[in-house]
Amino acid sequence: DTEVTQTPKHLVMGMTNKKSLKCEQHMGHRAMYWYKQKAKKPPELMFVYSYEKLSINESVPSRFSPECPNSSLLNLHLHALQPEDSALYLCASSQEGRAANTGELFFGEGSRLTVL
Amino acid sequence: QKEVEQNSGPLSVPEGAIASLNCTYSDRGSQSFFWYRQYSGKSPELIMSIYSNGDKEDGRFTAQLNKASQYVSLLIRDSQPSDSATYLCAVKVSSASKIIFGSGTRLSIRP
Repeated sequence: DTEVTQTPKHLVMGMTNKKSLKCEQHMGHRAMYWYKQKAKKPPELMFVYSYEKLSINESVPSRFSPECPNSSLLNLHLHALQPEDSALYLCASSQEGRAANTGELFFGEGSRLTVL
Repeated sequence: QKEVEQNSGPLSVPEGAIASLNCTYSDRGSQSFFWYRQYSGKSPELIMSIYSNGDKEDGRFTAQLNKASQYVSLLIRDSQPSDSATYLCAVKVSSASKIIFGSGTRLSIRP
């Protein structure tokens, strides 16, 4: 069983809807990530939170809005998405700081998003 | 030049043989390197991490790192049909928490 839990597993939304993806981890990790993955492509980094602060935003459109309410939770708020935003959205967490295994990502099962 | 490059494959290897997967990266300051396995319809799963030059072995898997050549490889010995998957090379870029993936190599183990 994965220790990173993502909900919902599947989401279908219209272009005018507002929805949120949620991610939770209980491994004590202090870095959390959102990746987007299209079919037959690698995961593409969107956002990184380090110690609950946004540290990296890979020029993601503002219709994607991340939030990190505490060290265990990561949300991705979705608004006015386009059909090309349909993809698998992956949450991951990792150790942060000087730990030897910093950067080892543990992924959730993903949220498969379809925008109509 | 892409930050992390891999041959996309598919790479077909007979069962029981050694599968060799390769990756190059562009950021000379990178210190952390990872191999992930991704089955179709599933999320990536970490199989190896390597941080210093040389070889690191874990069961049937050996990761090799050559920082001078900016090259990382993964060897899978005694390949099994269950090893058929896409293998993603990932690099932690310099000191940031930015982990970039290569395009992945699709590996097929034929019985």
